[in-house]
Amino acid sequence: GAVVSQHPSRVICKSGTSVKIECRSLDFQATTMFWYRQFPKKSLMLMATSNEGSKATYEQGVEKDKFLINHASLTLSTLTVTSAHPEDSSFYICSARDQFGRVEQYFGPGTRLTVT
Amino acid sequence: AQSVTQPDIHITVSEGASLELRCNYSYGATPYLFWYVQSPGQGLQLLLKYFSGDTLVQGIKGFEAEFKRSQSSFNLRKPSVHWSDAAEYFCAVGAGQAGTALIFGKGTTLSVSS
Repeated sequence: GAVVSQHPSRVICKSGTSVKIECRSLDFQATTMFWYRQFPKKSLMLMATSNEGSKATYEQGVEKDKFLINHASLTLSTLTVTSAHPEDSSFYICSARDQFGRVEQYFGPGTRLTVT
Repeated sequence: AQSVTQPDIHITVSEGASLELRCNYSYGATPYLFWYVQSPGQGLQLLLKYFSGDTLVQGIKGFEAEFKRSQSSFNLRKPSVHWSDAAEYFCAVGAGQAGTALIFGKGTTLSVSS
């Protein structure tokens, strides 16, 4: 149980285009989802917290107009990187907490974004 | 502010030898503590967690960790390392409030030599 999927697993896009990454909780309802960014050999940096049906809360230094987060349902959150640039290339990981408010987070397998 | 420190950036252990990865945390309330493992290009897999009760917790793949409140530590141990244990290990602390994210340490890279 408690499986989180991400799609796509890898994406290559051209500079200036937008790309959408999906995060789905497959067997539970996720009232809260988190988006992290991980640079090579680095820890996970929290980008934003999204609660179903409300606006995401972004961490300091994360551009909300560039990284659009939508949490439209209890099983789906999307991260859209708008007008992508090579410096946006990274490994993006989502996680989810269930509707019972348990502390545990269940992580997706990650999405490797490469902007050329 | 909450923080997690993993003092060792990279550790190399011989296969079959014991392992201890260190984790120290700074947290004002009762911490919820986690260890995750990440293989290259993969997501995070939960090894074990501590919420309350017995301070020695058992996890998957033969790992265990001990919570020591007096030392603000949650070190990960394994008595005999296998080559497949080579990966990145992250310690994390979480809050009890719903909707709050985990705070991660910078990670320790484990290499296993034959």
